[in-house]
Amino acid sequence: AQSVTQLDSQVPVFEEAPVELRCNYSSSVSVYLFWYVQYPNQGLQLLLKYLSGSTLVKGINGFEAEFNKSQTSFHLRKPSVHISDTAEYFCAVSDRGTSGSRLTFGEGTQLTVNP
Amino acid sequence: DAEITQSPRHKITETGRQVTLACHQTWNHNNMFWYRQDLGHGLRLIHYSYGVQDTNKGEVSDGYSVSRSNTEDLPLTLESAASSQTSVYFCASSVGGDFFNEQFFGPGTRLTVL
Repeated sequence: AQSVTQLDSQVPVFEEAPVELRCNYSSSVSVYLFWYVQYPNQGLQLLLKYLSGSTLVKGINGFEAEFNKSQTSFHLRKPSVHISDTAEYFCAVSDRGTSGSRLTFGEGTQLTVNP
Repeated sequence: DAEITQSPRHKITETGRQVTLACHQTWNHNNMFWYRQDLGHGLRLIHYSYGVQDTNKGEVSDGYSVSRSNTEDLPLTLESAASSQTSVYFCASSVGGDFFNEQFFGPGTRLTVL
């Protein structure tokens, strides 16, 4: 069975500072990895995904994530955050081959960007 | 534009009542999913469907049921609502056939069981 751990439940940062949201996963097989963002009172939207190939994945709104197989991590980064990046961020994993299109989500990280 | 909608957006009900939450997508996606979102738990899968007449249990399916009579709709029914089912419910859909298709999420339904 697969699982996802988001290491920080809340991350407060100042505007224009860099940020890293940490995600570790466990799975006995190869995986697909995703980051979703949820703005207040909205559904989730996809930020970026790792399927195969380059371990550095670029997404929308200037976010990027790096897949590290040896450390089973998929941390999300942004070099300079804006107030509008305040939201909850979810890391998710899908096993290749055993879980169809099902996703297992982490508990979420609330990113708060302060002026 | 194609979209996924949920109704109602907010619902208050009493313990023991049957409640149905609607999910409708115009993407023509084969796969549909229901999740609940609770503080400290992220999103947990309740039920999912890979096509018409196909339904499967997720990790927190007790007390919930779904049916898939057409491609567009996957209603979620709480047979006898309990206070533990107070939550925000999200419906999602994806194309199907592959393992890595993006799931598109609805806006959510906030359910309160008194």
